[in-house]
Amino acid sequence: EAQVTQNPRYLITVTGKKLTVTCSQNMNHEYMSWYRQDPGLGLRQIYYSMNVEVTDKGDVPEGYKVSRKEKRNFPLILESPSPNQTSLYFCASRFRAGGFEAFFGQGTRLTVV
Amino acid sequence: AQKVTQAQTEISVVEKEDVTLDCVYETRDTTYYLFWYKQPPSGELVFLIRRNSFDEQNEISGRYSWNFQKSTSSFNFTITASQVVDSAVYFCALSEARSTKGSRLTFGEGTQLTVNP
Repeated sequence: EAQVTQNPRYLITVTGKKLTVTCSQNMNHEYMSWYRQDPGLGLRQIYYSMNVEVTDKGDVPEGYKVSRKEKRNFPLILESPSPNQTSLYFCASRFRAGGFEAFFGQGTRLTVV
Repeated sequence: AQKVTQAQTEISVVEKEDVTLDCVYETRDTTYYLFWYKQPPSGELVFLIRRNSFDEQNEISGRYSWNFQKSTSSFNFTITASQVVDSAVYFCALSEARSTKGSRLTFGEGTQLTVNP
């Protein structure tokens, strides 16, 4: 089954404790990205990757890191999480950029206390 | 810069009513793509439709229809004879073909649709 898999689904952590949210897709898509969803703001792109070893900042990259060492995986790293990073996070993949629709993971609900 | 606006934050209707969700976009590109996604209460994001900027034909899929008008930069979504299962947050999104940000998908704020029995 074609899918994007994120883990964990729920995470509660404390300020400053490094964490990684994993994302994996099995569709051989070139383009992957991370979004955060906040009430009233829709989904905002954090980082994106157009292919292996090619990543760039989205609209809200501060406090986040990513890497794309393999085509299928695109982890999101929070080196020192803060309460303002409490949000619902989605990983997405697209065959390519442009007119291709995005397939989304199930989401990760992160709470930083 | 690309932008999507969904001015309706929340809409509440009674089952079987028709409802239209508005989407207005801004872009400088002549080639772009518009999308609608549905987010039911379970939280996942479900792709509904994609249109490219050269195809202004309206589209109908069952009870769903979409009205794309370049003259008003709008891509509105109508649900006919709404059902309780249509209750969800609906997002409109835009992707430019030649964006400096890698053709990212820019989303609107979303419209929470509640269909009451």
